[in-house]
Amino acid sequence: ETGVTQTPRHLVMGMTNKKSLKCEQHLGHNAMYWYKQSAKKPLELMFVYSLEERVENNSVPSRFSPECPNSSHLFLHLHTLQPEDSALYLCASSQDPSGNSYNEQFFGPGTRLTVL
Amino acid sequence: KNEVEQSPQNLTAQEGEFITINCSYSVGISALHWLQQHPGGGIVSLFMLSSGKKKHGRLIATINIQEKHSSLHITASHPRDSAVYICAVRPRNIIQGAQKLVFGQGTRLTINP
Repeated sequence: ETGVTQTPRHLVMGMTNKKSLKCEQHLGHNAMYWYKQSAKKPLELMFVYSLEERVENNSVPSRFSPECPNSSHLFLHLHTLQPEDSALYLCASSQDPSGNSYNEQFFGPGTRLTVL
Repeated sequence: KNEVEQSPQNLTAQEGEFITINCSYSVGISALHWLQQHPGGGIVSLFMLSSGKKKHGRLIATINIQEKHSSLHITASHPRDSAVYICAVRPRNIIQGAQKLVFGQGTRLTINP
């Protein structure tokens, strides 16, 4: 398996369910990201983890809870979601460098979430 | 108003036509990306640039830092080029270690045979 993988690819859940999205990267990167893509809106950054520490939380509601147990895995735990949370959730990874240089991000295929 | 604006939002063309997608941004940046998103959601990075011009096959990306503008060109377009093309920038004032990207809304390109 290469690149960035996400499971499941599709998820339908009720508002009272608890579910988790999983992301795994096989690129040796040390930074991982969760993005939300809603219909007709730009991609929105949700969370950034660098060296397994959360370095950015972009004002995301607490019903979304990220977890990064190691540099290769990233989870997004979901509970009591709302129908407006239905979207494509994308994971990405990059090599987080020292200094102010910049490395590109590699994206997973996304999980399409529908909240009923 | 979004910090990154793309035009057009939708573009339909015939196979073989020369395609231009534009991106304007309002903040100082350290890098700009062009991304391609096919139906189904997966995103592929096409270019990352901070100055000048890059070419890969039939794709060309240019950036003018002074004018805060970038263009993506596709020569000899083909139906398989049909996708959403997304411009994203890394603002220059981002702290080290937080590689935040700000995205445009995307341009949906359809190439008809």
